[in-house]
Amino acid sequence: EDQVTQSPEALRLQEGESSSLNCSYTVSGLRGLFWYRQDPGKGPEFLFTLYSAGEEKEKERLKATLTKKESFLHITAPKPEDSATYLCAARDQAGTALIFGKGTTLSVSS
Amino acid sequence: SAVISQKPSRDICQRGTSLTIQCQVDSQVTMMFWYRQQPGQSLTLIATANQGSEATYESGFVIDKFPISRPNLTFSTLTVSNMSPEDSSIYLCSVDDGTNYYNEQFFGPGTRLTVL
Repeated sequence: EDQVTQSPEALRLQEGESSSLNCSYTVSGLRGLFWYRQDPGKGPEFLFTLYSAGEEKEKERLKATLTKKESFLHITAPKPEDSATYLCAARDQAGTALIFGKGTTLSVSS
Repeated sequence: SAVISQKPSRDICQRGTSLTIQCQVDSQVTMMFWYRQQPGQSLTLIATANQGSEATYESGFVIDKFPISRPNLTFSTLTVSNMSPEDSSIYLCSVDDGTNYYNEQFFGPGTRLTVL
């Protein structure tokens, strides 16, 4: 069964303290690994899609990487405005919809 | 990326009633999806809204409870029927432009439903 697991569930950082969020997946024929940011009461905001192992994408303080079994979202020198829930999702070769993990809730304090 | 709007943004409803949620996209899209996000949980796919044909439902979701319409390539509705407090969730519309094999998927702002 296809599955996406995120860790940790919650992460508290000080402003400027870099860290990484993990997304492990077991999906047959991965056709995209997606990262979203979700603020309370809002819909998920698209961040990145990664398609093949070794691929990396960056946006401001965020960098996403992909291996054959997992993806990492690296946050460099985070700011309080980076506080949100980060969702990881995968799409398999046969499907069109996404399989979501439960998310990591990030809190960054100044 | 497509701009997606949903109506209503939130509602409080009584048990046993029904609510229809609208999803409007600013461009024609091939695939539209409806997800549910229960309190403290991640997103679960309810169904894929197919233009011109019946929706395709995921395991655990049925048409009588969640009827879906897709009259054209920019609009869809989801109805939550005969509601109970367990239906209290955020309902999210998403779109996939379907132009190639590797498609990005974008989400609307969501409809927060509370059932009393």
